[in-house]
Amino acid sequence: QVQLQQWGAGLLKPSETLSLSCAVYGGSFSDYYWTWIRQPPGKGLEWIGEINHNGGTNYKSSLKSRVTISVDTSKNQFSLKVNSVTAADTAVYYCARRTRHGSGWYIDYWSQGTRVTVSS
Amino acid sequence: EVVLTQSPDFQSVTPKEKVTITCRASQSIGADLHWYQQKPHQSPKLLIKYASQSFSGVPSRFRGSGSGTDFTLTINSLEAEDAATYFCHQSNSLPLTFGGGTKVEIK
Repeated sequence: QVQLQQWGAGLLKPSETLSLSCAVYGGSFSDYYWTWIRQPPGKGLEWIGEINHNGGTNYKSSLKSRVTISVDTSKNQFSLKVNSVTAADTAVYYCARRTRHGSGWYIDYWSQGTRVTVSS
Repeated sequence: EVVLTQSPDFQSVTPKEKVTITCRASQSIGADLHWYQQKPHQSPKLLIKYASQSFSGVPSRFRGSGSGTDFTLTINSLEAEDAATYFCHQSNSLPLTFGGGTKVEIK
């Protein structure tokens, strides 16, 4: 059974850096895309970006200048950093796994999520 | 960016009724559409992948159909445990996008 467990600071001040990590238990760490998604209060889900085990990344263009996703294959973990946060970054953040299906990929497992609040 | 529009936003249903949720894509995405169930304080759970393929362990009352721009999730004979929010997701192109969700309440 695949489990994704995440952790990180839940309360930040504007201009600080959001930092979350996600550990993967069960199953291989290779041959997947490891993904970050968020959901602001009262709004829909927003894809932030993803990384594969080789370090290859994809980011949402509107967030790319502030976001870094990294991977530590020795620990089966991946991480998210968002610089210069504002209140607009307040959201529940999820980590998730994307699995290959033919030439495509789909999200099959999610974490429970971490609520991050940005407030002065 | 592919915009996914779900309807309805909310549905109140009695047990054993059939529930139909639709997801419309702003452009053709083939069959690259997936459905998830999310209950409060739980992680989203994959129900249907690639429009109509049931994910492992998902009850057979959950069915998906559609292709191109119009997709449907059907819950046959709703059970009390099916109270949740359901959302669609497309993986056809980046950025990945999601529908706004449909909350299903049990009367």
